[in-house]
Amino acid sequence: AQRVTQPEKLLSVFKGAPVELKCNYSYSGSPELFWYVQYSRQRLQLLLRHISRESIKGFTADLNKGETSFHLKKPFAQEEDSAMYYCALSGRSGNQFYFGTGTSLTVIP
Amino acid sequence: DVKVTQSSRYLVKRTGEKVFLECVQDMDHENMFWYRQDPGLGLRLIYFSYDVKMKEKGDIPEGYSVSREKKERFSLILESASTNQTSMYLCASKGQLEQYFGPGTRLTVT
Repeated sequence: AQRVTQPEKLLSVFKGAPVELKCNYSYSGSPELFWYVQYSRQRLQLLLRHISRESIKGFTADLNKGETSFHLKKPFAQEEDSAMYYCALSGRSGNQFYFGTGTSLTVIP
Repeated sequence: DVKVTQSSRYLVKRTGEKVFLECVQDMDHENMFWYRQDPGLGLRLIYFSYDVKMKEKGDIPEGYSVSREKKERFSLILESASTNQTSMYLCASKGQLEQYFGPGTRLTVT
């Protein structure tokens, strides 16, 4: 079975503090991992994907196959980072996506 | 720029009514998806379609059906709406790698 786990439903950090949103997955193969973000009153949108190895809005995520994790990190949180974050997994066929339950991040000014 | 549109942002229906939720994408994507989004449960896949007239059940298909008669349009049907189907419904279209989401339809069943 392919599943994505986000252990934290709610996460609060102060502005300027580091933030890490955890994501663990289980998949019998080589998955593609993504982070999606949903800001208040906006549609869900892609934040980053592991194959791109890019940094978007200061966020990075490294795929750790040994720990089956894909944690999202940012060294200095900003108020505009407050949003709902979803970790997602896609199998190689690409026909299915599996989302975690989401983490609501609040950055306290 | 990919555009995924959903027919309604807000919908209120009565128990037992038949409900149609429409989704249209303009990028010629083969794969389309319907999810429901509930607090604490994340996104749960209801159905997806990988081609015209092709569909597969997701994790929670009970009480729902879908229709894909044209490549750009993917419809979600609630045959007899129930109060436990009150939720936010998200449609997505998938390109080479990522999914693109519509704005969502907030359905309330009273």
